[in-house]
Amino acid sequence: AQTVTQSQPEMSVQEAETVTLSCTYDTSESDYYLFWYKQPPSRQMILVIRQEAYKQQNATENRFSVNFQKAAKSFSLKISDSQLGDAAMYFCAYRGSNFGNEKLTFGTGTRLTIIP
Amino acid sequence: DAGVTQSPTHLIKTRGQHVTLRCSPISGHKSVSWYQQVLGQGPQFIFQYYEKEERGRGNFPDRFSARQFPNYSSELNVNALLLGDSALYLCASSLSGDRFHEQYFGPGTRLTVT
Repeated sequence: AQTVTQSQPEMSVQEAETVTLSCTYDTSESDYYLFWYKQPPSRQMILVIRQEAYKQQNATENRFSVNFQKAAKSFSLKISDSQLGDAAMYFCAYRGSNFGNEKLTFGTGTRLTIIP
Repeated sequence: DAGVTQSPTHLIKTRGQHVTLRCSPISGHKSVSWYQQVLGQGPQFIFQYYEKEERGRGNFPDRFSARQFPNYSSELNVNALLLGDSALYLCASSLSGDRFHEQYFGPGTRLTVT
């Protein structure tokens, strides 16, 4: 079974600075998807960024980028120019590539605090 | 277009009771998944339904069941509630159950079992 591990329960960063959230995963599959989701106090899970395992290039979305190390099974999220609105729980998630299988396996999350 | 909606927002039940949670997917979305998020943890997959057929089931007891209706809305039923069932229940929908479409989450239903 796939597992996702987030070893940082809490992180804090000064506004406008850069922060990196860590995630490691375990799988025997060669093709899969990885995601970072943000969950603010409103509870709604919002997709931040996704990475297809077959793509070597790291995904980027504006201030958000990932460092995907397939051999090391590592998938970290870098947030640049941190803003107050970035404060939330961040979850790393894994999804296999089987057709029709939408099951997401989540880590335990990292609570990110932005210091003004 | 409206996002994924869930009802009710909150509810309180007593041990042993039964509960039904409802989810309306984004218009045009045919796949619905359910997750349980216990306080302080990440969501755990419960079920996935696509075109009214069960596509996946997580490691949950038979007290948990779900179904999907012809309009693609879905219900999650939990029988014989236990204190440990207290959690945020999230519903997610996607256009189809294949690999190319993202899942969009609803705001969740907060269930408290006393």
